[in-house]
Amino acid sequence: QVQLQESGPGMVKPSETLSLRCTVSGGSISGYFWSWIRQTPGKGLEWIGYIHYSGSTNYNPSLKSRLTISVDTSKNQLSLKLRSVTAADTAVYYCARHNLGSDYDFDHWGQGTLVTVSS
Amino acid sequence: DIQMTQSPSSVSASVGDRVTMTCRASQGISTWLAWYQQKPGKAPKLLIYAASSLQSGVPSRFSGSGSGTDFTLTISSLQPEDFATYYCQQTNSFPLTFGGGTKVETK
Repeated sequence: QVQLQESGPGMVKPSETLSLRCTVSGGSISGYFWSWIRQTPGKGLEWIGYIHYSGSTNYNPSLKSRLTISVDTSKNQLSLKLRSVTAADTAVYYCARHNLGSDYDFDHWGQGTLVTVSS
Repeated sequence: DIQMTQSPSSVSASVGDRVTMTCRASQGISTWLAWYQQKPGKAPKLLIYAASSLQSGVPSRFSGSGSGTDFTLTISSLQPEDFATYYCQQTNSFPLTFGGGTKVETK
């Protein structure tokens, strides 16, 4: 059974870079698209961007200028870096695997990690 | 961006009830729609994809329908474990977007 686990600092200072990692176990990262999604009480669920195991990416335009998503197939990991964060970036961050049957919905999710932006 | 609007925002129901909720897209998305269930403190769980295809392992009391701009998720006979918040997501175009959710509460 594929499992995804997000990891990273729970708190980041304003203007700094939010860095998260997602480790995939029980299956290979190869052959799939992988996304980062965040959730806040105010804005709900927001798709951040995806990466294909080959390295191709697609980012939400609202975050594109501050965002980098990368993949390390040798470690079965994907990473997210969001630069110049503000309080508005406080959210629960999820990594998720795209459904092979339909491409752009998500059939496996990590448990999520809360990141708070605060000084 | 395609805006997804869910209604109602909450519904009160009892075990055994038939529950229906809707999702409307701001422009046509064919059948590129997914439904998720989320319980407090947990990640969303995929229920339906391509508007009406049941994800493996999901009980058959869940069903989805619709195309274009209007979609429906139906729970035919509400079970205790179905009290949760349900979200729709359009998979037609980028950026991918979600609805605001419908919370199914106990009456």
